[in-house]
Amino acid sequence: DVKVTQSSRYLVKRTGEKVFLECVQDMDHENMFWYRQDPGLGLRLIYFSYDVKMKEKGDIPEGYSVSREKKERFSLILESASTNQTSMYLCASSFFRSSKNVQYFGAGTRLSVL
Amino acid sequence: AQSVTQLDSQVPVFEEAPVELRCNYSSSVSVYLFWYVQYPNQGLQLLLKYLSGSTLVKGINGFEAEFNKSQTSFHLRKPSVHISDTAEYFCAVSGSGFQKLVFGTGTRLLVSP
Repeated sequence: DVKVTQSSRYLVKRTGEKVFLECVQDMDHENMFWYRQDPGLGLRLIYFSYDVKMKEKGDIPEGYSVSREKKERFSLILESASTNQTSMYLCASSFFRSSKNVQYFGAGTRLSVL
Repeated sequence: AQSVTQLDSQVPVFEEAPVELRCNYSSSVSVYLFWYVQYPNQGLQLLLKYLSGSTLVKGINGFEAEFNKSQTSFHLRKPSVHISDTAEYFCAVSGSGFQKLVFGTGTRLLVSP
């Protein structure tokens, strides 16, 4: 079975802190994604990566950055956390560039910024 | 740009009743369609997908969906729901080219005894 592991299920941070959300997948997938999920808004794509050291902006990249130094790991970085970044963050991965391929999701990290 | 509409934010239903969760998409190109389910405090799990071929697609847990190109719809159905089907359901679409999924806003299915 594909496993996508997010390092934390719950995080509480203070405004202005630098926050790292980590995601690891064990299926040698080329593509990795970060989404945020908010009630009534569904999932919105923040950033994605289709190769090591490659990254592309999604629909809502403002206030976020990402890092992909190894194929299996994709990190989401909040440079200076703000209260409007309180949300559920979901990581996903999939095989190389094909729209047919299924994305596999981690369990999510619920981030609260106080 | 592609978009997905799930008109029902919440669908209450009694156990063993049938259910239909509606999904409409907008796209001028060939699309691939997916339904994902999210159980409480979990990530998303694939229920079923339509890539090509038969317009009736069967998925896990007794769910099925029908692709209707003329109506740009991909409604999800189950003939008899269980309490354990209580979850949030997301419809998603991707087009040709690089895989970027566009999700609907989700429908919360509430099954009561």
